[in-house]
Order: sequence, then C-alpha cells, then structure tokens
Amino acid sequence: ETGVTQSPTHLIKTRGQQVTLRCSSQSGHNTVSWYQQALGQGPQFIFQYYREEENGRGNFPPRFSGLQFPNYSSELNVNALELDDSALYLCASSSGSVNTEAFFGQGTRLTVV
Amino acid sequence: QQQVKQSPQSLIVQKGGISIINCAYENTAFDYFPWYQQFPGKGPALLIAIRPDVSEKKEGRFTISFNKSAKQFSLHIMDSQPGDSATYFCAASINTGNQFYFGTGTSLTVIP
Repeated sequence: ETGVTQSPTHLIKTRGQQVTLRCSSQSGHNTVSWYQQALGQGPQFIFQYYREEENGRGNFPPRFSGLQFPNYSSELNVNALELDDSALYLCASSSGSVNTEAFFGQGTRLTVV
Repeated sequence: QQQVKQSPQSLIVQKGGISIINCAYENTAFDYFPWYQQFPGKGPALLIAIRPDVSEKKEGRFTISFNKSAKQFSLHIMDSQPGDSATYFCAASINTGNQFYFGTGTSLTVIP
C-alpha cells in the first residue's frame, strides 16, 4: 500500500452535475498531482498542488478545479460533467523534492451517464 | 499531441522469456523517466526509473535501457513470470516534479 487514499472508489453522476473527489496524501508529502485515466489510456496530468497553491496545470478546461488543505490532502472538483469525463481519476503524492518518488492512490472510477 | 509514445500496445510472452517495451519522447527537457506497473483496479506503482546521465539501470529482473541521442528508452523484463501480467506505462517528467507525461500503456500477458 502506498499510503495515498482516495474516496470514493466508485461514483456515478448525471451529465451536467458536479462532483468532488478526495485524496489523502502520504504522510510527509506536501505535493499532490491529479491525473485522468480514460479506459485503455495512460494517465493525463490535470494539475498539481504544492503547499496549498496550484503549481502547474495540464490541458484541462477551467471546470476542473482543485484545492489543497493545510494537512496537504486535496480535492478535485469537476463542474458541468460531460460523458467524456468518465474515467479513473488518480492522485499522486510526493515530497516536492527532486529525486523523490510519486505514490499513486487506487483511484476513483467516475461514470457519467 | 502525445509527448511520450509507447509500443507495443499488447505483448504476450512465455514464462521465462524476455518482455521488451519501448518508448520514445520529443521534449529534450525531460530528465526523469519512470516505468509504472498497474494491475486492474489499482493505481500505478513505480517499478524502476532512470535519468539521462546513465544508459542503463538494472533492478532485479527489470532493466531500463536509455538512448539519449535517439530519445528512446525501453523496459526489459527478464525471466518473465505470470505475476508480471499487468499494464506497463512509461512516463517522463522534468525534475521528478510529479507532472508526468505517460505513454499509452502496454498490456503484458505472461503465459505459463
């Protein structure tokens, strides 16, 4: 186990709704990145939070937003859900230093119907 | 635009054989190249990683070969076992910043 926990594990939402996914980072890690993994594809970088500030963003629209809390846990929020948002959402935590490993959670499987 | 290209998409190897997965990248600013292993229903787990200042890194049965001039790197799994059956992803990043560009994945099946 990596020590990175995500909740919920599965979620079904209707198109147009909003969703919040949660990630608890590994102890001692201050950096959390979120990734979207469509079925049969590699993970795609959404954004990263470092010490509660956004620290990089991939090619995702503004309806994908996030937060990082003082305990370094994090949320991913997606507004106005679209069918193509159906995917496995992964968070990965790291210490923020060079030469350190990133640890992934087991993911949240989001299905938009 | 796919920043990291991976092949093959799927691979079937007999137990004891060698599994080889290849990746290529374009961005010369990448300086950290990990390989991740993912089992169904699980998140990716780091297998082995390399930096471009070395041409090869070996950890147990897993070896990364790196060709900086060709902008290619590959994963070799020696003595492949059925327990190695999983999806493998190559990735690249700058300064291990946990902002990875992943390949599209290779589904490996090792048959007994």
